[in-house]
Amino acid sequence: AQSVTQLDSHVSVSEGTPVLLRCNYSSSYSPSLFWYVQHPNKGLQLLLKYTSAATLVKGINGFEAEFKKSETSFHLTKPSAHMSDAAEYFCVVSARNNAGNMLTFGGGTRLMVKP
Amino acid sequence: EPEVTQTPSHQVTQMGQEVILRCVPISNHLYFYWYRQILGQKVEFLVSFYNNEISEKSEIFDDQFSVERPDGSNFTLKIRSTKLEDSAMYFCATQGQENIQYFGAGTRLSVL
Repeated sequence: AQSVTQLDSHVSVSEGTPVLLRCNYSSSYSPSLFWYVQHPNKGLQLLLKYTSAATLVKGINGFEAEFKKSETSFHLTKPSAHMSDAAEYFCVVSARNNAGNMLTFGGGTRLMVKP
Repeated sequence: EPEVTQTPSHQVTQMGQEVILRCVPISNHLYFYWYRQILGQKVEFLVSFYNNEISEKSEIFDDQFSVERPDGSNFTLKIRSTKLEDSAMYFCATQGQENIQYFGAGTRLSVL
């Protein structure tokens, strides 16, 4: 069994300041972990994924996430927020690192960026 | 960039009616999924489909639901007799050999 908890349902930052979106997971297997972003009226877009290689994963648009097994965390960060980063972010776990496995989603974090 | 296309974007139906939600996967993808998100709740897995058969399904995916690839390209989700609680956003996802699922923009189903 696997589960994902996103610790904040809403995060508000000012443009140019750092972003931190928190995620904790549980999994019976060595998991694959993902962050997806959803802009209004758009599909879920993959930001980055962790699949047991480097623990610090770099994604698109300047985002990165660090896998910490001891803390069962996979927090998403960005050094400097941009207005276009305002969206819903989902932390997602997959039981195994191969095709054909269901994804388990966190509840989502809505990121708001103030000018 | 290739993308997953879902139609319609919004479907309104009466309780008890049948609905079919459609998805055009990325070319050469072999794995197909449906997820749903009830307003205010988490995105939930419904079913996965590979090699023309269901490979995994959740408790939500009961006898009222079915999936198929009728023409080898489209991937459809049918709800036989809709209930009020079926109102949700339904997402299709497709996957190639790498462990990444690509999602469509979703179909918002409203059951009245």
